[in-house]
Amino acid sequence: QQPVQSPQAVILREGEDAVINCSSSKALYSVHWYRQKHGEAPVFLMILLKGGEQKGHEKISASFNEKKQQSSLYLTASQLSYSGTYFCGTDRETTDSWGKFQFGAGTQVVVTP
Amino acid sequence: AAGVIQSPRHLIKEKRETATLKCYPIPRHDTVYWYQQGPGQDPQFLISFYEKMQSDKGSIPDRFSAQQFSDYHSELNMSSLELGDSALYFCASSFREGRAADTQYFGPGTRLTVL
Repeated sequence: QQPVQSPQAVILREGEDAVINCSSSKALYSVHWYRQKHGEAPVFLMILLKGGEQKGHEKISASFNEKKQQSSLYLTASQLSYSGTYFCGTDRETTDSWGKFQFGAGTQVVVTP
Repeated sequence: AAGVIQSPRHLIKEKRETATLKCYPIPRHDTVYWYQQGPGQDPQFLISFYEKMQSDKGSIPDRFSAQQFSDYHSELNMSSLELGDSALYFCASSFREGRAADTQYFGPGTRLTVL
C-alpha cells in the first residue's frame, strides 16, 4: 500500500518553513525522502530507520514516529533551490523479502523570491 | 563520485516493438532497482535485484523482464510495447548494509516514447 503524503502542494516565500508528512498503515522499517526536479532523477535527501537512526547529507531534517508510522520532513529557512517534488519512500517490515519499497504520491514545493 | 549510468537516455519505438534499457550501478553497489514514472506521477517500483538474484517484484507487466549480470549491470527488456509504456524509466542502485540503510541512488533515467 502506497504511503500517504500531505500536503499535495505548498507554496513558500524564501526563508519560510514547511513540513511535509508521510504516513503508512503498515509497520515500517525505514522511511526515505527524495526530491525531484522536473525531468530529473530523484535525489536522496534523508533516510530514517526504525530505532531512531538517521542518515542524510543536506541541511534538511526529518523525524520518524514509529508508533504512528509517520515521518515528517522539515524545510526550514527555505531557499529557491528547495523547489521540486518531494517523495517519501517506505520500506515495510516484512518477513518474506527485503521489503516492499513504495513511493508516496509526492508533495510539490514551490519557493518564490 | 561515480553515479548510476543508464543507456540510452532517450528511446523512440513503435507499438509492438521491443526495447532494452541498460543500467550500470555505482561501483560496489550490489542492488539494482527499476522504476517507471509516468508524467506527473510518482515512480512506480517494477523490480529489484540483489547479488544477481531477483529480490522483489512490483508492478512489472508480464511483457517486461529484467536481469542482473555478473558485473552487476542490469537490463530491462520490454516487448510488445504499448503506447502506455511511454514513461521515464529510472534505475537506482544501493549497497545493502545487512537489513539497514538501503539508500537508493538514482540514475538520470531513460525516456521511452512509444509511437
